[in-house]
Amino acid sequence: GQNIDQPTEMTATEGAIVQINCTYQTSGFNGLFWYQQHAGEAPTFLSYNVLDGLEEKGRFSSFLSRSKGYSYLLLKELQMKDSASYLCAVRDGTTDSWGKFQFGAGTQVVVTP
Amino acid sequence: DTEVTQTPKHLVMGMTNKKSLKCEQHMGHRAMYWYKQKAKKPPELMFVYSYEKLSINESVPSRFSPECPNSSLLNLHLHALQPEDSALYLCASRPGQGMDEQYFGPGTRLTVT
Repeated sequence: GQNIDQPTEMTATEGAIVQINCTYQTSGFNGLFWYQQHAGEAPTFLSYNVLDGLEEKGRFSSFLSRSKGYSYLLLKELQMKDSASYLCAVRDGTTDSWGKFQFGAGTQVVVTP
Repeated sequence: DTEVTQTPKHLVMGMTNKKSLKCEQHMGHRAMYWYKQKAKKPPELMFVYSYEKLSINESVPSRFSPECPNSSLLNLHLHALQPEDSALYLCASRPGQGMDEQYFGPGTRLTVT
């Protein structure tokens, strides 16, 4: 199985940058995914990494180091609408190829004016 | 059509009722998932269907019964639920077996009285 850790809450100012860390321990790894979830809504996909390195998608970037079991999501030029929970999810590669996604508890990002 | 739909949006049921949740996608995705999410917690995987066959059951109590009548439709039949089963039930789908992300539906908010 997996053990996924991420901070509970982070606060940042509009226009700033915030980095959300995620560490994981897994018996099988087949990708790390980041989702955004606003209160009462479904998660929406932001980014994923399967190989080490940085993936950039507009204001969002995600980094992965498989040897360290570590990822981060970088949110740049923060906007008020970015206030949400950010979920780190690991896809387990030890089960069938369809994979199980296990989610971290989420990091609540609060953007202040 | 690039979305996953779920009905109903809200459901209130008694402990002796039988009800069903419905999930539909017309994107040709081959894997479909049911998750349960309690407030301020991450989504917990319940079931995975791949090519209309149940491939993962995360030891879910039998009062939850999934069904996949065809490649576009996923149901979750509910019977004799408990108040602690009250949660947001999320459906998701994935295109195939590659490194592709899940697309979530908006969820059904279930309250068991």
